[in-house]
Amino acid sequence: GNSVTQMEGPVTLSEEAFLTINCTYTATGYPSLFWYVQYPGEGLQLLLKATKADDKGSNKGFEATYRKETTSFHLEKGSVQVSDSAVYFCALTLKAAGNKLTFGGGTRVLVKP
Amino acid sequence: EADIYQTPRYLVIGTGKKITLECSQTMGHDKMYWYQQDPGMELHLIHYSYGVNSTEKGDLSSESTVSRIRTEHFPLTLESARPSHTSQYLCASSEREVAKNIQYFGAGTRLSVL
Repeated sequence: GNSVTQMEGPVTLSEEAFLTINCTYTATGYPSLFWYVQYPGEGLQLLLKATKADDKGSNKGFEATYRKETTSFHLEKGSVQVSDSAVYFCALTLKAAGNKLTFGGGTRVLVKP
Repeated sequence: EADIYQTPRYLVIGTGKKITLECSQTMGHDKMYWYQQDPGMELHLIHYSYGVNSTEKGDLSSESTVSRIRTEHFPLTLESARPSHTSQYLCASSEREVAKNIQYFGAGTRLSVL
């Protein structure tokens, strides 16, 4: 079956530090890949996406590159802010599965001033 | 900006009560989804719908039921709430076309059953 594995948190960082959250996937076919973010007390918001190999998604200073050879979609940000404190979810969807998302377990990130 | 709304945001209720969690979207999306999010944050798809009068069970078995009588409305009902139903419930919607495969989420309903 399809699955997404992401690093467990919590990840605690100081402001302006570099953030990496690892995400790897298993899928039958060629998935589209997503990062969603959930701020405290809110629902999920799409952060970025990539639909084919070597695509790079970017938004709000975050980046992730679709690596087919390593089946990975790691999230990175060069300089985090306190406002980036949230839970981050890696996810995939397959054409054959319609729009159903398969989520990773989520990674909580806490940025301290 | 996503226009998908869930009510109530918080609900505390006693065992055995019937409850309905509301979800509405104003984007005209055909596809709608319900997820259950446990305290460990993991998300589980419990119901989905591809259009009016279409409902399917998701990956995680749930005692809840859903209906889709109107495109914009996708309520979830628990006939008899139990403490094991305590969780956060998230509703989402997306366009029909698989190529436009972004799901938009509501803010969630946090349910506590005493």
